[in-house]
Amino acid sequence: SAVISQKPSRDICQRGTSLTIQCQVDSQVTMMFWYRQQPGQSLTLIATANQGSEATYESGFVIDKFPISRPNLTFSTLTVSNMSPEDSSIYLCSVVRTGRVNTEAFFGQGTRLTVV
Amino acid sequence: LAKTTQPISMDSYEGQEVNITCSHNNIATNDYITWYQQFPSQGPRFIIQGYKTKVTNEVASLFIPADRKSSTLSLPRVSLSDTAVYYCLVGDPHHPFKAAGNKLTFGGGTRVLVKP
Repeated sequence: SAVISQKPSRDICQRGTSLTIQCQVDSQVTMMFWYRQQPGQSLTLIATANQGSEATYESGFVIDKFPISRPNLTFSTLTVSNMSPEDSSIYLCSVVRTGRVNTEAFFGQGTRLTVV
Repeated sequence: LAKTTQPISMDSYEGQEVNITCSHNNIATNDYITWYQQFPSQGPRFIIQGYKTKVTNEVASLFIPADRKSSTLSLPRVSLSDTAVYYCLVGDPHHPFKAAGNKLTFGGGTRVLVKP
């Protein structure tokens, strides 16, 4: 299994400001993933964070809006920049681990962001 | 990219068996089928993973016909605490985020409500 600590768990922010979300994993992983989940919706992959290189962003997401840091193999941050109410969502980080039988994705508890 | 289709919602009663079928007509040879469960205010949690025929673990069974174009998650004797959203994912778990497009993509999910 993997233990993922994500913080803050929730925040209410003013539009135009930025919020940085932190994700700490209990052991080293090559890739960490950031998702967004809008209210009542499924998860959408924002980007993949590799240590030592720039993150790879999915269609519809750009680095200027969602800068990501990956300073080491157990930690990553996602910043939501210049926020607007449309950014109100749950943001989740994730890692993938291959065990003896299965390959599983593990998720943090998520950060519930409300932009007012 | 193997897309999945599953029912939007299902209602059941305590003690009943719940079967959720997922369609994935263009599943690829290397793709596995993985199911996740998500409770409100939590990240998704791995339930079960399979490639063909039948897989069973302590919480669920996964039935996959020979053509692999669909799969059925079976939850035996559900309780109120099984109320959650269940996601069917199709992809190569060993390379889930390959840039070529074979990513683990979350579909819409099935919202299961277990009633007393």
